[in-house]
This record gives sequence, structure tokens and C-alpha cells, in this order.
Amino acid sequence: EPEVTQTPSHQVTQMGQEVILRCVPISNHLYFYWYRQILGQKVEFLVSFYNNEISEKSEIFDDQFSVERPDGSNFTLKIRSTKLEDSAMYFCASKGDTDTQYFGPGTRLTVL
Amino acid sequence: DAKTTQPPSMDCAEGRAANLPCNHSTISGNEYVYWYRQIHSQGPQYIIHGLKNNETNEMASLIITEDRKSSTLILPHATLRDTAVYYCIVRDPTGNQFYFGTGTSLTVIP
Repeated sequence: EPEVTQTPSHQVTQMGQEVILRCVPISNHLYFYWYRQILGQKVEFLVSFYNNEISEKSEIFDDQFSVERPDGSNFTLKIRSTKLEDSAMYFCASKGDTDTQYFGPGTRLTVL
Repeated sequence: DAKTTQPPSMDCAEGRAANLPCNHSTISGNEYVYWYRQIHSQGPQYIIHGLKNNETNEMASLIITEDRKSSTLILPHATLRDTAVYYCIVRDPTGNQFYFGTGTSLTVIP
């Protein structure tokens, strides 16, 4: 069964550093998403991406965040200058023709 | 914002049916009811969804009331691996995001 995959599973970085979280969506899916979950809190939407552009973003997704589909298979989330409060689980999701989003296992980001 | 209300926690004996309720009294005619679950900080896992009719798949059954203001997810024979947080989500298919609430933490007891 096809799955969304994410790398790395755990990323530790220093405050102020840039990080790139990587996702490989399900191969025939065209809609891509990033969500995050701060420890003990709800899963929150960050951004949706379709046809090589952002289709919707939340208030959380400020100028320090960016997304890219660099090579037709990967979908990346970049955080330019990480802050302590960016520590969270980051989940990638994708969907195809149906409305169901399928989530990856997540990347745990720890900002020190 | 999440438009659903779920009990914060429930227990279920292993092998018995787990019935997880959800209220969505403000649901609109074109909004679907989705259920996902999250096992210990893993990625949310899709379970089932429906619009008006009851639905069943290999994982669960979804019972939606006739007025569509509430629904119940049924895990027919709960196992220890079903221990998770279960999210009921009402979704407009024209939107992009899923709004996750706080869900129901289901504990399956041996």
C-alpha cells in the first residue's frame, strides 16, 4: 500500500539555524500539505500546495516558512531561522482524486 | 475551527466493540464526516468517512444520524493496538485543510 514518507524522523537544530524537512507524497497525488503538532496540542494546518503554488496557508505559516516541490517527487518545508517555539512534530500529507488526505509518520523537530 | 464535540476519553475492553460518539450539530449539507486516529504522536491515520449513509470498511463502521447532527465510529472488536486518539472531523470538500480538535483518547483494556 502506498504511503507518505518523511525524512528525517528526528531533527535537532540550534535556534536561528535553517532546517529543511522532506516528504515524499504518494506517487499519483497532486495535492500536498504540511501540518504541525506541538507536544500535547492539536494538529494544526500550515499550508496546502497544488500545481506548484501555495493554495492556502494559515497564520502560523509566516515569512520564515517556505515550501517547494523541487524535483517532482519530494515536497519540502523550509524554516529559515528556527525559534524555540518551532519545536514540534511536522506532518506531511497528500491527496489524490478523492478528498482524503494521507499523512506521513512525521518529523520531530527539536530547536535548542 | 473544529466543529465537532467528542468526549475526551473512553475505555473499552479488548475484544468488545468500541463506540465513539461525535456531535456536529452545525454541519452543513455538503460537509463530510471524517474519522482519523493518531497512535502516540504518529501521523494521523485515515479510518473512514461519510456524507449521509452509514459506511463500513475493513477498519470500522460509521453510523450517521438521519439529521446528520451526530455520528458514531464503531470498532467492532477492539484490540490493544486500537489504543489511540480518535478525531472526528467535519469537512467542506471545497476547503484545503482538516481541522483537528482534541479528539477522544480511547484506551483498550486487556
